[in-house]
Amino acid sequence: SQTIHQWPATLVQPVGSPLSLECTVEGTSNPNLYWYRQAAGRGLQLLFYSVGIGQISSEVPQNLSASRPQDRQFILSSKKLLLSDSGFYLCAWRGTGPGPQHFGDGTRLSIL
Amino acid sequence: GENVEQHPSTLSVQEGDSAVIKCTYSDSASNYFPWYKQELGKRPQLIIDIRSNVGEKKDQRIAVTLNKTAKHFSLHITETQPEDSAVYFCAAISGSARQLTFGSGTQLTVLP
Repeated sequence: SQTIHQWPATLVQPVGSPLSLECTVEGTSNPNLYWYRQAAGRGLQLLFYSVGIGQISSEVPQNLSASRPQDRQFILSSKKLLLSDSGFYLCAWRGTGPGPQHFGDGTRLSIL
Repeated sequence: GENVEQHPSTLSVQEGDSAVIKCTYSDSASNYFPWYKQELGKRPQLIIDIRSNVGEKKDQRIAVTLNKTAKHFSLHITETQPEDSAVYFCAAISGSARQLTFGSGTQLTVLP
């Protein structure tokens, strides 16, 4: 069966520090991969998605970036975090074609 | 692109009553409609989905109905229990799209 791993679960970072969040998927090949951000009590904001290695689409201009160095690995990065980057970051995967999307457990990021 | 609207944004019901959450979509090519439940601090989890070749689907106390002509679909929860309290998201996708389009969410509170 397919599983998705996302880490760390919580992270506290100072303003201006770098960020790297990692997500890996097991049990499937060539998944579509997604990064979402969710502010407290709010909806799901799509940040990036990828349909293959090295293919990244950005949905929202910001100081974040994403990379997909391997088929089942998706990384969210920032060189300098802002206070507004605080939130709950969720990685997700979906197979090709219309079908269910599955989320990782999320990373709660607090910027001080 | 697709636009999904979800109502109501908050819903309170007495334990044992039914709850209904409604979503409308704009892209007539959309053919897959999942519903997610997100408990506080947790990841969204798929609870039920429906494809466009079906008008209704049930799973115990949960049902989803789809009206393709009117382009709306609804989540029905019967005999609500306190553990049903959560945020519920609807979503839609067409075969050619790369990502799900989510509704803005409904905070359901089941009062004991």
